[in-house]
Amino acid sequence: ETGVTQTPRHLVMGMTNKKSLKCEQHLGHNAMYWYKQSAKKPLELMFVYNFKEQTENNSVPSRFSPECPNSSHLFLHLHTLQPEDSALYLCASSHGGELFFGEGSRLTVL
Amino acid sequence: KQEVTQIPAALSVPEGENLVLNCSFTDSAIYNLQWFRQDPGKGLTSLLLIQSSQREQTSGRLNASLDKSSGRSTLYIAASQPGDSATYLCAVLGVDSSYKLIFGSGTRLLVRP
Repeated sequence: ETGVTQTPRHLVMGMTNKKSLKCEQHLGHNAMYWYKQSAKKPLELMFVYNFKEQTENNSVPSRFSPECPNSSHLFLHLHTLQPEDSALYLCASSHGGELFFGEGSRLTVL
Repeated sequence: KQEVTQIPAALSVPEGENLVLNCSFTDSAIYNLQWFRQDPGKGLTSLLLIQSSQREQTSGRLNASLDKSSGRSTLYIAASQPGDSATYLCAVLGVDSSYKLIFGSGTRLLVRP
């Protein structure tokens, strides 16, 4: 138990659906991240938020839309995804440079 | 641009062996280096964090070293057990205050009973 909770753990959606991934931490951390993990590829940083402000958008397609309403919650809104977007989406939070990850949300796009 | 490489990509050893996993990075301007463990379909668990001013960190049977000038880190696992089977990832945090942790591709370890 790392203190970072992601929901849902599994999600199957069609290409025309709209869904959201949620991440929550009550560790008092100021930075939160979305990473994408595809098979046989290194973890890809998608977005970084520091004190609710987005500090990094790593050339992510606009069909992924992050939202950080406060320092404890981070969302990833998904719409009109492609099958190649199927992956494990990992949320993390950090303090002092050490990252703590959630269990991930396994997304399958049909 | 920081690049992190892990060798080998996969490793299979008999139970009880001591083993070393390698991580190299191209830009020595790092804030810290972390080693993580990932079980199949799960998130990442932090194993060891080495600050840039440190040379090594130890936790139980794990010892991680850092040689910043040569851009290398090693993770030493003593007396390996089947429960150590997992993918091990290293990641570096740059000093540019961008909060970006850059990962290697990982080493997939199998410890055979």
